[in-house]
Order: sequence, then C-alpha cells, then structure tokens
Amino acid sequence: GAVVSQHPSWVICKSGTSVKIECRSLDFQATTMFWYRQFPKQSLMLMATSNEGSKATYEQGVEKDKFLINHASLTLSTLTVTSAHPEDSSFYICSVLPGQGVETQYFGPGTRLLVL
Amino acid sequence: AQTVTQSQPEMSVQEAETVTLSCTYDTSENNYYLFWYKQPPSRQMILVIRQEAYKQQNATENRFSVNFQKAAKSFSLKISDSQLGDTAMYFCAFMKLQGAQKLVFGQGTRLTINP
Repeated sequence: GAVVSQHPSWVICKSGTSVKIECRSLDFQATTMFWYRQFPKQSLMLMATSNEGSKATYEQGVEKDKFLINHASLTLSTLTVTSAHPEDSSFYICSVLPGQGVETQYFGPGTRLLVL
Repeated sequence: AQTVTQSQPEMSVQEAETVTLSCTYDTSENNYYLFWYKQPPSRQMILVIRQEAYKQQNATENRFSVNFQKAAKSFSLKISDSQLGDTAMYFCAFMKLQGAQKLVFGQGTRLTINP
C-alpha cells in the first residue's frame, strides 16, 4: 500500500495561533487527498477533499476560512487551522487516493492537536 | 446518500478464537468498493481487506476474510485464529467509484482479544 506521512505528529499551541499540518504521499502521486477529524472513541469525520491544483471541497458544516487546505503538489497537502481555539483540539488524519487503478485510501499516522 | 452501520460497539473473544464483525450498508450505487480498516491504539488506520462490488468471490487476506452479500447489503469480517495484536477498533467503509470517491465509515467496533 501507499506510504503516507504527516507532520507534526503532535502539537500544542496557544488559543488564537495558527497551526499547519503537512500530509505527504511518499510513494504515489495523488491528485486527491482527504482530511479527516476524529474525536475520542468516535469514527472518522471527513472534513474536506483536497484536489491538486484546485480548491478543496469542504463537507457541510466545515468552516472553509477556519480550516485552510492547500494541495500544492501531487505529493503534498497542508491543513492550516487558523486562529485555533480549544474546541479545535482533536486528532487530524489525512489520506491519499492514488487513483489510476489503485482505488483505495491509505492513511497517514495522524496529528494530535491540543489548543490551550 | 450512502450509510454504513456497524451494530456491535464492542466485542471480546479469547486468543485463537474466531470472531465475526458485522456491517451493513445502504446505497443505490452499483459500482463501489467496501473496506475494513483497523485502528490499533496507535491510531494509525490500517487497511485490512477490500472487496470490489462487481466480484462475487469473497476477498481473503490470510486470517481475514469477508462475507459479502450484495443483495442484502451486508459485509461482515471474519478473523480466524485471533491474535493479541488484532485488538483494535475496526471500521467498515464504503466508497463509490463514480464521482467523489469519499469513504463513508461506520461507527466502528472495538475488538478486544483476551489472552
């Protein structure tokens, strides 16, 4: 399967600051990446679909101006949590859909965000 | 819209036993994939097994196999000879092939393998 990295693996920040999370596909070029959020003991909630070279598609209820997504290349997508608040504390996971016959999403290890 | 339902929030079995996790889904699509993902305490999502809807043969991966009943929209996972390392959350997921290829997840089943 595809190897996906995320950086950082965990981050603690003060309320009001912005945090950037990187998602890299290490062995596939991916035109499509996905960002999820997961609360403790719950399932994954899709936040947005990140498309290389175009604007991300956000799920209903997800604030576009709050969660900025940039898919700058075929191997890198970033999620920026702007003006973070304690309620943004969560586990954020990205996934890669290689496409071209590989119709399976492979996940990064996740990023734990704690906003104080 | 598609929905995926896992009706067993928690399950617990002894090591070496066989366990079956249930999953049902609802869709009007004809072409889709179904997946089982495992999330151990590290929280890394790991693909366990995949089933293409157009294939009648049930997928198998070593100790893991599925019972795919397309007409009943059922997709259960059987784990044979369970091991301590199988302890994890298991998520059933659906992905249609046309349009936005988003995964739709079930609520998850927490599986504990006891020594």
